[in-house]
Amino acid sequence: GAGVSQSPRYKVAKRGQDVALRCDPISGHVSLFWYQQALGQGPEFLTYFQNEAQLDKSGLPSDRFFAERPEGSVSTLKIQRTQQEDSAVYLCASSATEWGKQFFGPGTRLTVL
Amino acid sequence: EDKVVQSPLSLVVHEGDTVTLNCSYEVTNFRSLLWYKQEKKAPTFLFMLTSSGIEKKSGRLSSILDKKELFSILNITATQTGDSAVYLCAETQGGSEKLVFGKGTKLTVNP
Repeated sequence: GAGVSQSPRYKVAKRGQDVALRCDPISGHVSLFWYQQALGQGPEFLTYFQNEAQLDKSGLPSDRFFAERPEGSVSTLKIQRTQQEDSAVYLCASSATEWGKQFFGPGTRLTVL
Repeated sequence: EDKVVQSPLSLVVHEGDTVTLNCSYEVTNFRSLLWYKQEKKAPTFLFMLTSSGIEKKSGRLSSILDKKELFSILNITATQTGDSAVYLCAETQGGSEKLVFGKGTKLTVNP
């Protein structure tokens, strides 16, 4: 069956550009999560949604980062005025129920030049 | 201070060896501990543990949680080259569904 999909898979941006990363969760999954993974590190939490409600955004590193899930399905992570330190893999995950196991997408590798 | 600490950070073994990976975690409002395998793409789910002392098993992989000593282990028996990956341990705590990950253990299985 279809898993979590993310697009684009790779994104190169010049410093100062805005980027938008998309996540399509598994159909019917209630919770959706965004993580940032730097090279050689474990994923770090950014934010999560339960349906369309953003319940925790404590991991967003600055006000340049913004996430939305307006209809409780697809989510977009937007990064404004990208900086070199934003270079990382951005992982999306979804779970069917509250506190359920999370299934991850393949990630978007963002490189900021 | 890291909340989830994995050891060792890297490990090289030969096919057929048995390995034990370690994960210690914080107790504050603990809810569950999860193990994932990450090759060059998405982390794939292995186990979720919530109860102490109960072993979860899937083929050659098994895991157990010790809530008294605040750690979990992941065992892999009769390792194969396809087991080469980064193994991630993560904790959830009450109040938020977010996963808090350790840095991972990079396992390399040589033929």
